Amino acid sequence: DAKTTQPPSMDCAEGRAANLPCNHSTISGNEYVYWYRQIHSQGPQYIIHGLKNNETNEMASLIITEDRKSSTLILPHATLRDTAVYYCIVRVGYNNNDMRFGAGTRLTVKP
Amino acid sequence: SAVISQKPSRDICQRGTSLTIQCQVDSQVTMMFWYRQQPGQSLTLIATANQGSEATYESGFVIDKFPISRPNLTFSTLTVSNMSPEDSSIYLCSVEGGVTTEAFFGQGTRLTVV
Repeated sequence: DAKTTQPPSMDCAEGRAANLPCNHSTISGNEYVYWYRQIHSQGPQYIIHGLKNNETNEMASLIITEDRKSSTLILPHATLRDTAVYYCIVRVGYNNNDMRFGAGTRLTVKP
Repeated sequence: SAVISQKPSRDICQRGTSLTIQCQVDSQVTMMFWYRQQPGQSLTLIATANQGSEATYESGFVIDKFPISRPNLTFSTLTVSNMSPEDSSIYLCSVEGGVTTEAFFGQGTRLTVV
């Protein structure tokens, strides 16, 4: 079973920041928070991951609370192409068969 | 990053038949994963395939229905056996990216059983 809770859907205006929350209250000390997205009819795409520090890359920022029980994925300037299902996953990481997908959040970016 | 090629990209099959899906990676990887995504649903892990050993299946999936081969470090196949309409799904192959730890996915095989 997935160990995360996400809202089923969100809307965002084009050009605005999209903030996608994720609750992972049972996260273990050695588990990372990963974010993936799946654009319609494509395979999931890696976005970002982190352990306890905030992370930023060319796609997004990841903010993890100090107690690590929740996190927020931020798409700073959402475009129509960011419309997708976003999955938050907690896992130990490399070479583990522990990638479990929950229902995710369906983000719709509107003009 | 890893580039994954899946074949076929889609197929329409008769019930009772079997389909073998191929997954080719452009680099050597230790673990390969097979997922199923039923219509309108999230991804469900079917099994993990390590080279040189039998695949490890998740609860609800059995080898007789979903036999997997892993002959080398760049290739794997998943067979969907004795298909029924309930097997209509997208089947995805995934690999670990290496030291960067993110997983990469193929574009999937869209299977329709009639």
